[in-house]
Amino acid sequence: QQQVKQSPQSLIVQKGGISIINCAYENTAFDYFPWYQQFPGKGPALLIAIRPDVSEKKEGRFTISFNKSAKQFSLHIMDSQPGDSATYFCAAAFRPTNSKLTFGKGITLSVRP
Amino acid sequence: NAGVTQTPKFQVLKTGQSMTLQCAQDMNHNSMYWYRQDPGMGLRLIYYSASEGTTDKGEVPNGYNVSRLNKREFSLRLESAAPSQTSVYFCASREDRGTFSYEQYFGPGTRLTVT
Repeated sequence: QQQVKQSPQSLIVQKGGISIINCAYENTAFDYFPWYQQFPGKGPALLIAIRPDVSEKKEGRFTISFNKSAKQFSLHIMDSQPGDSATYFCAAAFRPTNSKLTFGKGITLSVRP
Repeated sequence: NAGVTQTPKFQVLKTGQSMTLQCAQDMNHNSMYWYRQDPGMGLRLIYYSASEGTTDKGEVPNGYNVSRLNKREFSLRLESAAPSQTSVYFCASREDRGTFSYEQYFGPGTRLTVT
């Protein structure tokens, strides 16, 4: 049973466009939703995260939108740049346990110049 | 401050051989994790350690053992390697900042091939 599902599987966007990656989760006990970014040959790194008590969080060009009733959250990358080309993972975790993260399968974003 | 370091970076094993992947963090984190990453499968948790002296199984623990040697170091051992264990292995540690911080810091990974 996959508890966190990402879509689409891959995404190609033109420079300056908006990249949108979606994530759906199963377990309503999840209460922390991060996005990780991974460049080729590197380990993943936290990009942005949200808690379910807010509907949106913005950090620079990156925004998470959260829809609790639909059990979905999404990552929006505004003014996409070739340097944003990477693999993006959504994840989820819940208290009060040990903060294990459940990851989605990841999507590869390519931003064309 | 090196963060999370992993050794080796690359390794080729023959089926049945054993090896230990090393991980160390210098951020004074309590929790440490081992993941494997396979194409189309995302990151799957193998084992984790919430504190020194404790370890627990994750999603895919079969064929692996771990040791939390001290607060800094968390090793992953393959006793008898199988081709299905060909993967990229990541170690991570978690920042213990307040009651709602789950950020995990990842190492650069070990690319393991089992022939």
